[in-house]
Amino acid sequence: RKEVEQDPGPFNVPEGATVAFNCTYSNSASQSFFWYRQDCRKEPKLLMSVYSSGNEDGRFTAQLNRASQYISLLIRDSKLSDSATYLCVALRHSGAGSYQLTFGKGTKLSVIP
Amino acid sequence: NAGVTQTPKFRILKIGQSMTLQCTQDMNHNYMYWYRQDPGMGLKLIYYSVGAGITDKGEVPNGYNVSRSTTEDFPLRLELAAPSQTSVYFCASSSAPRQVDFGPGTRLTVT
Repeated sequence: RKEVEQDPGPFNVPEGATVAFNCTYSNSASQSFFWYRQDCRKEPKLLMSVYSSGNEDGRFTAQLNRASQYISLLIRDSKLSDSATYLCVALRHSGAGSYQLTFGKGTKLSVIP
Repeated sequence: NAGVTQTPKFRILKIGQSMTLQCTQDMNHNYMYWYRQDPGMGLKLIYYSVGAGITDKGEVPNGYNVSRSTTEDFPLRLELAAPSQTSVYFCASSSAPRQVDFGPGTRLTVT
């Protein structure tokens, strides 16, 4: 089982729609979680961190369920500019003061006019 | 701040050639990383460094070498390039074991 798994999509949604991305992680030692956004042929950029209490940034809401080892990202009122690939990321301690970030393969979103 | 910069942006290598991918960051970050991203695949960690003089292998280190003589620079060396090393290479840095900032990437083709 992969350490971080995401639905690869693609998700094709009309403008204004609400879309939800799901992510599961297999290593219970994972401590912190993030969502990154990657535009075509560009580098990934941090979208938001994910907190146990859930957090919101404008139209974006992230949730973490440690018991289920599940992370989600909700985008409300989708814009054309939201079209990108969304990467789920887990961070864990890998021993001797080292940490490891593990990236999911990403879910591609296309917002259609 | 320029952030994380990488050179070159693109490169075509013949099988068996060698090259160094350059990475520099001006944020005084201790942690630096090299990832590769194959089409449709996730990012895989090649090597990382927690500070000058300290490097360690990631998930896919074979065929690569790194050095970290300064805080700013973290070059990635490819020896005897193979077609399997065709990929997009991203350098990244962070001030702590938290989220990372990526450079713009180097697109490498080995033919």
